[in-house]
Amino acid sequence: AQKVTQAQTEISVVEKEDVTLDCVYETRDTTYYLFWYKQPPSGELVFLIRRNSFDEQNEISGRYSWNFQKSTSSFNFTITASQVVDSAVYFCALSDGLDTGRRALTFGSGTRLQVQP
Amino acid sequence: DTGVSQDPRHKITKRGQNVTFRCDPISEHNRLYWYRQTLGQGPEFLTYFQNEAQLEKSRLLSDRFSAERPKGSFSTLEIQRTEQGDSAMYLCASSYLGSFLADWADTQYFGPGTRLTVL
Repeated sequence: AQKVTQAQTEISVVEKEDVTLDCVYETRDTTYYLFWYKQPPSGELVFLIRRNSFDEQNEISGRYSWNFQKSTSSFNFTITASQVVDSAVYFCALSDGLDTGRRALTFGSGTRLQVQP
Repeated sequence: DTGVSQDPRHKITKRGQNVTFRCDPISEHNRLYWYRQTLGQGPEFLTYFQNEAQLEKSRLLSDRFSAERPKGSFSTLEIQRTEQGDSAMYLCASSYLGSFLADWADTQYFGPGTRLTVL
């Protein structure tokens, strides 16, 4: 069965520090997608990135970067030079239903990031 | 493009009452999903529609829950005989199914949610 583990429940950093959020996933499928979403205090989940299992290239978008390693089943998210506006709960999610037709996302339990000024 | 909207944003009800939530997806999105999120947890899948067809239901969706998407646009989620355990945030998401295999895992865009409190 599919599973996503975000072992860090809460992280607190001071503004301008770099921070990495860990995500480990489990799936029996060879074809799958991984996602990161941000949930600010307002509650709405905001899509950040989608990655398929055949593309292990790291990705950088501004202060955000993602490191995908199939060998360790990890898809970690790094925020460089964190800002107070980055304070939110971040969720990693997995979609692995190509063969079964399942389209639901399986989410981790989230990591709450607090960036102190 | 307006995002996914949900109504109401908050609902307080007494145990045993029925409640109905509405979700309006991003226009032209042909897939619509419902999730439930309890405090400190990630969202859990309930059900999804492709156009008006309900294609998948989670085991979490008990007989007291029913969802519809009658014309393939907005959707409603009804909970009958609410219980205190139904208190949660109910999230709706929509996506567009592409025509290429590479698009099978469509990106889901979420609404602001409806927070349900059952007293």
